[in-house]
Amino acid sequence: GQQVMQIPQYQHVQEGEDFTTYCNSSTTLSNIQWYKQRPGGHPVFLIQLVKSGEVKKQKRLTFQFGEAKKNSSLHITATQTTDVGTYFCRVRGNKLVFGAGTILRVKS
Amino acid sequence: EAQVTQNPRYLITVTGKKLTVTCSQNMNHEYMSWYRQDPGLGLRQIYYSMNVEVTDKGDVPEGYKVSRKEKRNFPLILESPSPNQTSLYFCASSPRGVAGVYEQYFGPGTRLTVT
Repeated sequence: GQQVMQIPQYQHVQEGEDFTTYCNSSTTLSNIQWYKQRPGGHPVFLIQLVKSGEVKKQKRLTFQFGEAKKNSSLHITATQTTDVGTYFCRVRGNKLVFGAGTILRVKS
Repeated sequence: EAQVTQNPRYLITVTGKKLTVTCSQNMNHEYMSWYRQDPGLGLRQIYYSMNVEVTDKGDVPEGYKVSRKEKRNFPLILESPSPNQTSLYFCASSPRGVAGVYEQYFGPGTRLTVT
């Protein structure tokens, strides 16, 4: 069956350092979405990727969809304290599932 | 303001006492869904609804019921809550029935504790 794994589970970075989380699927995906959940909050949609090799940017955030459409990454350049939270991928393969999330903590 | 609302936000109850968590959206969305969030497990789908009177099981439906009598409301019912249903619950909606293509709008969450 379809499996999706997010790595790492947890990362603690110094403010100003870069951060990357990966979403890996066992099956080919039709699309992938990324969400951010602040501590104590609810998930908020960030972006959707559909095309093989697609790269999208939102200020310091860069999202990439793999060529084989089985993996994706979210990269944050020069993290800030406002970036703290949990980042989830949501994938559509043979069904819709969320990854377990990557918790990001930023030390100032 | 476009939003998804849930009530109550916090609930402590005892085993076996029936409860309902309400969910309402004012965006005229067709698709609605319930998730539970537990540490290390991410968001797991309980039930979803593609439209009025159309509901289907998600990944963890045992112990839950839902109904979709109106487009805007999608209540979650726990007929006989048990401690393993202690969790953070989110309701979400999307504009269309093919939910994977559209972003999900989440409610603020309901933290449920069953003792």
